[in-house]
Amino acid sequence: GQNIDQPTEMTATEGAIVQINCTYQTSGFNGLFWYQQHAGEAPTFLSYNVLDGLEEKGRFSSFLSRSKGYSYLLLKELQMKDSASYLCAVEGQAGTALIFGKGTTLSVSS
Amino acid sequence: KAGVTQTPRYLIKTRGQQVTLSCSPISGHRSVSWYQQTPGQGLQFLFEYFSETQRNKGNFPGRFSGRQFSNSRSEMNVSTLELGDSALYLCASSLGAGSYEQYFGPGTRLTVT
Repeated sequence: GQNIDQPTEMTATEGAIVQINCTYQTSGFNGLFWYQQHAGEAPTFLSYNVLDGLEEKGRFSSFLSRSKGYSYLLLKELQMKDSASYLCAVEGQAGTALIFGKGTTLSVSS
Repeated sequence: KAGVTQTPRYLIKTRGQQVTLSCSPISGHRSVSWYQQTPGQGLQFLFEYFSETQRNKGNFPGRFSGRQFSNSRSEMNVSTLELGDSALYLCASSLGAGSYEQYFGPGTRLTVT
């Protein structure tokens, strides 16, 4: 079967660093996406990984290990506005639909 | 460039009725995907259309159907509504099918009573 696992909830404080993990088991692998979704809003694209390694984009970085079926999203210098749900999504075989995890709700407190 | 638009934004229907939701993708985008989002199940894929052809279909009953027009606009239809169909229905467009960034619309909140 196809499965994507993420922690349901995480909490952190302003200025801290948080790592949101995602493990996947899919039929094939063509790429992994991270999306951010604020409450009541649409998901917005954060990152895309297809090769092993770390992709850095400002305060956000995403890591992929294809051999381990594992990715993480790293958020640095957390701000209150980072409180949101973070969705991991995998494209299994090329041309197939994205499979989304259930999302990790991150709460940032002061 | 205008984003993805969805109409209506909110809808209340009763069991047994049918509903049609509309999605207009970003200009130039040819792929449109539909998702159902509920608190318990997260984002679940319904179907994807590319150049008026259904490319992928999720595991939903035949009551859920869709189509795409030549201008890339898409509609999805749900017949014989059930209480469990209450959800946020999101449409996403992308330049092509597959590994392209998807741009999501604001969604249609459907409530079935």
